[in-house]
Amino acid sequence: DVKVTQSSRYLVKRTGEKVFLECVQDMDHENMFWYRQDPGLGLRLIYFSYDVKMKEKGDIPEGYSVSREKKERFSLILESASTNQTSMYLCASRFTENTEAFFGQGTRLTVV
Amino acid sequence: AQKVTQAQTEISVVEKEDVTLDCVYETRDTTYYLFWYKQPPSGELVFLIRRNSFDEQNEISGRYSWNFQKSTSSFNFTITASQVVDSAVYFCARTPGAGSYQLTFGKGTKLSVIP
Repeated sequence: DVKVTQSSRYLVKRTGEKVFLECVQDMDHENMFWYRQDPGLGLRLIYFSYDVKMKEKGDIPEGYSVSREKKERFSLILESASTNQTSMYLCASRFTENTEAFFGQGTRLTVV
Repeated sequence: AQKVTQAQTEISVVEKEDVTLDCVYETRDTTYYLFWYKQPPSGELVFLIRRNSFDEQNEISGRYSWNFQKSTSSFNFTITASQVVDSAVYFCARTPGAGSYQLTFGKGTKLSVIP
Protein backbone atom coordinates (compact mmCIF):
# COMPACT_ATOMS: atom_id res chain seq x y z
CA ASP A 1 0.00 0.00 0.00
CA VAL A 2 1.09 3.51 -0.75
CA LYS A 3 1.85 5.41 2.38
CA VAL A 4 2.08 9.15 2.79
CA THR A 5 3.20 10.08 6.27
CA GLN A 6 3.08 13.52 7.82
CA SER A 7 5.38 14.01 10.74
CA SER A 8 2.83 15.43 13.18
CA ARG A 9 -0.90 15.09 13.63
CA TYR A 10 -1.20 18.18 15.81
CA LEU A 11 1.09 21.16 16.27
CA VAL A 12 0.83 24.31 18.33
CA LYS A 13 3.26 27.12 17.51
CA ARG A 14 3.69 30.71 18.51
CA THR A 15 3.34 33.70 16.20
CA GLY A 16 6.63 34.46 14.53
CA GLU A 17 8.10 30.97 14.88
CA LYS A 18 9.57 29.15 11.91
CA VAL A 19 7.55 25.99 11.35
CA PHE A 20 8.46 22.89 9.39
CA LEU A 21 5.85 20.39 8.24
CA GLU A 22 7.34 17.20 6.91
CA CYS A 23 5.87 14.70 4.50
CA VAL A 24 7.34 11.39 3.35
CA GLN A 25 5.99 8.97 0.73
CA ASP A 26 7.22 5.46 0.13
CA MET A 27 6.13 4.75 -3.46
CA ASP A 28 8.70 6.62 -5.53
CA HIS A 29 6.12 9.16 -6.68
CA GLU A 30 7.22 12.04 -8.88
CA ASN A 31 4.60 14.55 -7.82
CA MET A 32 4.02 15.86 -4.32
CA PHE A 33 1.60 18.49 -3.04
CA TRP A 34 0.82 20.63 -0.02
CA TYR A 35 -2.74 21.81 0.60
CA ARG A 36 -4.48 23.61 3.37
CA GLN A 37 -8.05 22.82 4.24
CA ASP A 38 -10.34 25.36 5.87
CA PRO A 39 -14.10 25.14 6.48
CA GLY A 40 -16.04 26.35 3.47
CA LEU A 41 -12.92 26.79 1.35
CA GLY A 42 -12.12 23.20 0.48
CA LEU A 43 -8.57 22.17 -0.34
CA ARG A 44 -6.39 25.00 -1.58
CA LEU A 45 -3.09 24.21 -3.20
CA ILE A 46 -0.08 25.90 -1.62
CA TYR A 47 2.84 24.41 -3.54
CA PHE A 48 3.58 21.35 -5.57
CA SER A 49 6.69 19.61 -6.81
CA TYR A 50 7.07 17.46 -9.91
CA ASP A 51 10.67 16.38 -9.31
CA VAL A 52 13.52 16.70 -6.85
CA LYS A 53 14.43 20.36 -6.35
CA MET A 54 11.56 21.41 -8.65
CA LYS A 55 8.64 23.32 -7.26
CA GLU A 56 5.77 25.44 -8.46
CA LYS A 57 3.47 27.81 -6.68
CA GLY A 58 -0.11 26.82 -6.23
CA ASP A 59 -3.02 29.13 -5.58
CA ILE A 60 -2.02 30.44 -2.14
CA PRO A 61 1.80 30.38 -1.78
CA GLU A 62 2.16 33.62 0.18
CA GLY A 63 3.77 33.07 3.56
CA TYR A 64 5.00 29.59 2.68
CA SER A 65 8.01 27.97 1.08
CA VAL A 66 8.86 24.36 0.30
CA SER A 67 11.85 22.10 -0.01
CA ARG A 68 12.31 18.87 -1.91
CA GLU A 69 15.87 17.64 -1.58
CA LYS A 70 14.98 13.96 -1.89
CA LYS A 71 12.29 12.33 -3.97
CA GLU A 72 10.45 10.86 -1.03
CA ARG A 73 10.33 13.96 1.15
CA PHE A 74 8.50 17.25 0.68
CA SER A 75 8.66 19.89 3.39
CA LEU A 76 6.41 22.89 3.91
CA ILE A 77 7.98 25.84 5.70
CA LEU A 78 6.23 28.72 7.40
CA GLU A 79 9.00 31.29 7.70
CA SER A 80 7.20 33.34 10.35
CA ALA A 81 3.98 31.75 11.48
CA SER A 82 0.91 33.92 11.80
CA THR A 83 -2.49 33.25 13.31
CA ASN A 84 -4.13 33.20 9.87
CA GLN A 85 -2.05 30.15 9.06
CA THR A 86 -3.96 28.12 11.63
CA SER A 87 -5.39 25.33 9.51
CA MET A 88 -5.36 21.68 8.55
CA TYR A 89 -2.43 20.93 6.24
CA LEU A 90 -2.57 17.96 3.89
CA CYS A 91 0.28 16.42 1.96
CA ALA A 92 -0.30 14.26 -1.11
CA SER A 93 1.74 12.39 -3.67
CA ARG A 94 1.12 10.69 -6.98
CA PHE A 95 3.05 9.06 -9.79
CA THR A 96 2.04 11.25 -12.76
CA GLU A 97 -0.64 13.76 -13.75
CA ASN A 98 -3.09 11.07 -14.84
CA THR A 99 -2.95 8.97 -11.67
CA GLU A 100 -4.70 9.42 -8.38
CA ALA A 101 -3.11 11.22 -5.48
CA PHE A 102 -2.65 9.61 -2.09
CA PHE A 103 -3.03 11.74 1.00
CA GLY A 104 -1.46 11.83 4.40
CA GLN A 105 -3.51 11.98 7.56
CA GLY A 106 -3.12 15.73 7.88
CA THR A 107 -1.47 18.08 10.36
CA ARG A 108 -3.69 20.39 12.34
CA LEU A 109 -1.59 23.46 13.01
CA THR A 110 -2.63 26.06 15.55
CA VAL A 111 -0.70 29.32 15.70
CA VAL A 112 -1.21 31.25 18.92
CA ALA B 1 -6.32 29.03 -12.26
CA GLN B 2 -9.01 27.07 -13.97
CA LYS B 3 -11.71 26.39 -11.43
CA VAL B 4 -13.59 23.37 -10.23
CA THR B 5 -17.02 24.29 -8.93
CA GLN B 6 -19.15 22.26 -6.59
CA ALA B 7 -22.18 24.44 -6.18
CA GLN B 8 -23.82 22.32 -3.48
CA THR B 9 -22.24 23.12 -0.16
CA GLU B 10 -24.33 20.74 1.93
CA ILE B 11 -26.93 18.11 1.09
CA SER B 12 -29.08 16.05 3.45
CA VAL B 13 -30.96 12.97 2.33
CA VAL B 14 -32.83 10.22 4.08
CA GLU B 15 -31.29 6.78 3.91
CA LYS B 16 -32.10 4.83 0.73
CA GLU B 17 -32.70 7.98 -1.29
CA ASP B 18 -30.59 8.61 -4.40
CA VAL B 19 -28.41 11.70 -4.44
CA THR B 20 -26.36 13.45 -7.14
CA LEU B 21 -23.36 15.62 -6.40
CA ASP B 22 -22.55 18.16 -9.07
CA CYS B 23 -19.12 19.12 -10.39
CA VAL B 24 -18.46 21.67 -13.11
CA TYR B 25 -14.96 22.52 -14.27
CA GLU B 26 -13.31 25.17 -16.40
CA THR B 27 -10.88 24.08 -19.06
CA ARG B 28 -8.93 25.33 -22.04
CA ASP B 29 -7.30 21.96 -22.56
CA THR B 30 -8.20 19.08 -24.81
CA THR B 31 -6.53 16.59 -22.47
CA TYR B 32 -7.23 16.69 -18.78
CA TYR B 33 -8.08 14.40 -15.89
CA LEU B 34 -10.89 14.47 -13.39
CA PHE B 35 -11.14 12.83 -9.98
CA TRP B 36 -13.56 12.32 -7.11
CA TYR B 37 -12.47 11.90 -3.51
CA LYS B 38 -14.34 11.13 -0.31
CA GLN B 39 -13.40 12.55 3.08
CA PRO B 40 -15.23 10.71 5.86
CA PRO B 41 -15.44 12.14 9.38
CA SER B 42 -12.14 10.45 10.20
CA GLY B 43 -10.49 13.00 7.90
CA GLU B 44 -8.34 11.05 5.46
CA LEU B 45 -9.12 11.57 1.79
CA VAL B 46 -10.03 8.46 -0.14
CA PHE B 47 -9.78 8.23 -3.92
CA LEU B 48 -12.98 7.13 -5.68
CA ILE B 49 -12.54 7.51 -9.42
CA ARG B 50 -10.39 8.95 -12.22
CA ARG B 51 -11.60 9.93 -15.65
CA ASN B 52 -9.59 11.28 -18.59
CA SER B 53 -11.03 13.78 -21.02
CA PHE B 54 -11.12 11.50 -24.02
CA ASP B 55 -13.18 8.82 -22.31
CA GLU B 56 -16.78 9.95 -21.97
CA GLN B 57 -18.15 6.59 -20.94
CA ASN B 58 -20.16 6.70 -17.77
CA GLU B 59 -19.00 4.47 -14.98
CA ILE B 60 -20.82 2.43 -12.38
CA SER B 61 -19.27 0.86 -9.33
CA GLY B 62 -21.80 -0.73 -7.04
CA ARG B 63 -24.06 2.03 -5.74
CA TYR B 64 -21.82 4.73 -7.19
CA SER B 65 -22.02 6.08 -10.72
CA TRP B 66 -20.42 8.95 -12.55
CA ASN B 67 -21.72 10.95 -15.50
CA PHE B 68 -19.06 12.78 -17.52
CA GLN B 69 -20.28 15.27 -20.14
CA LYS B 70 -17.66 17.27 -21.98
CA SER B 71 -20.29 19.40 -23.68
CA THR B 72 -21.33 20.89 -20.33
CA SER B 73 -17.92 20.48 -18.60
CA SER B 74 -19.54 18.42 -15.89
CA PHE B 75 -18.56 15.30 -13.99
CA ASN B 76 -21.42 14.44 -11.66
CA PHE B 77 -21.49 11.72 -9.04
CA THR B 78 -24.60 9.77 -8.06
CA ILE B 79 -25.06 7.55 -5.04
CA THR B 80 -27.97 5.16 -5.35
CA ALA B 81 -29.82 3.95 -2.26
CA SER B 82 -27.68 6.06 0.06
CA GLN B 83 -26.49 4.69 3.37
CA VAL B 84 -25.37 6.35 6.59
CA VAL B 85 -21.77 5.32 5.81
CA ASP B 86 -21.93 7.55 2.75
CA SER B 87 -21.99 10.60 5.02
CA ALA B 88 -18.81 12.50 4.17
CA VAL B 89 -17.44 15.47 2.30
CA TYR B 90 -16.97 14.73 -1.38
CA PHE B 91 -14.44 16.57 -3.51
CA CYS B 92 -14.13 16.83 -7.25
CA ALA B 93 -10.67 17.60 -8.62
CA ARG B 94 -8.95 18.25 -11.91
CA THR B 95 -5.49 18.16 -13.46
CA PRO B 96 -4.96 20.28 -16.59
CA GLY B 97 -3.55 18.93 -19.81
CA ALA B 98 -0.65 16.62 -20.41
CA GLY B 99 2.58 17.87 -18.90
CA SER B 100 0.87 19.90 -16.19
CA TYR B 101 0.97 18.51 -12.71
CA GLN B 102 -1.27 20.85 -10.74
CA LEU B 103 -4.20 19.14 -8.99
CA THR B 104 -7.02 21.55 -8.18
CA PHE B 105 -9.98 20.73 -5.97
CA GLY B 106 -13.47 22.09 -5.67
CA LYS B 107 -14.71 23.31 -2.30
CA GLY B 108 -16.47 20.06 -1.57
CA THR B 109 -20.02 18.96 -0.88
CA LYS B 110 -20.92 17.75 2.59
CA LEU B 111 -23.39 14.88 2.35
CA SER B 112 -25.40 13.86 5.40
CA VAL B 113 -27.42 10.67 5.17
CA ILE B 114 -30.07 10.54 7.86
CA PRO B 115 -31.21 7.14 9.11
